[in-house]
Amino acid sequence: NAGVTQTPKFQVLKTGQSMTLQCAQDMNHEYMSWYRQDPGMGLRLIHYSVGAGITDQGEVPNGYNVSRSTTEDFPLRLLSAAPSQTSVYFCASTRGRLNSYEQYFGPGTRLTVT
Amino acid sequence: GIQVEQSPPDLILQEGANSTLRCNFSDSVNNLQWFHQNPWGQLINLFYIPSGTKQNGRLSATTVATERYSLLYISSSQTTDSGVYFCAVPFNDYKLSFGAGTTVTVRA
Repeated sequence: NAGVTQTPKFQVLKTGQSMTLQCAQDMNHEYMSWYRQDPGMGLRLIHYSVGAGITDQGEVPNGYNVSRSTTEDFPLRLLSAAPSQTSVYFCASTRGRLNSYEQYFGPGTRLTVT
Repeated sequence: GIQVEQSPPDLILQEGANSTLRCNFSDSVNNLQWFHQNPWGQLINLFYIPSGTKQNGRLSATTVATERYSLLYISSSQTTDSGVYFCAVPFNDYKLSFGAGTTVTVRA
C-alpha cells in the first residue's frame, strides 16, 4: 500500500491564483481530512469527509473547497490564494471514527503564496 | 475541548542516551497516537496506544488512561531520532487534537 499520497510536494502561487492540492489513499478508509500546520498554531482542521459524497467544514474552512466523489480521493481547492494561506498542508485518512481507529497522514504540501 | 500538554518542550541528547517524553491529557480518551515529525516535515505514525505498553525497536510507549498520561521512551538515541514528537488524542470523531510537541535534537 502507498498509504496517503499528496501532490505536489511544493508549490508557489501568486495572490489571486487558484490551485488544487491532490490527496489519495489506497487503504479504503472512509474518513479523510485536510489540516494545515502553521508555526505556533499547531495542526488545524480545514475540511473533512466521512464518506464519498459527504464533506463538512472544520475549524478554518474559509478560502478552501473540497469534494469527495470517490472513497480514494479528497482534493483541496484554493479558490483565490492569499498570503495567509502560506502553510504546510496535510491530508489524513482513517478507517472510521477516531475514537476507534488510527489516523494516517500524507507527506504534506508546502505552499507559499506571494 | 480536550487539552493536550507535552513535556519537555525541548530535549537535547547525546547519541546513545535514553529519554522519556510525557503527554498529559485533560479528559478520558479511547485513542492516543504518537507521531514523529522528521526534519523534512513528514508526520510518521509511531504508536496507536489507547492503553498499555507497546514497543517498536528502540521506541516504546505506555499509556495509563485512568491517570490521563502517556510516555514515549527513546533508548540508545540516534541522530535520525531528531525532530518533533507529537502526541494526539481525538477532539471528536474526525479531528485529532495535538500537543505542542517535544523538539528532540540528538547530537553525534
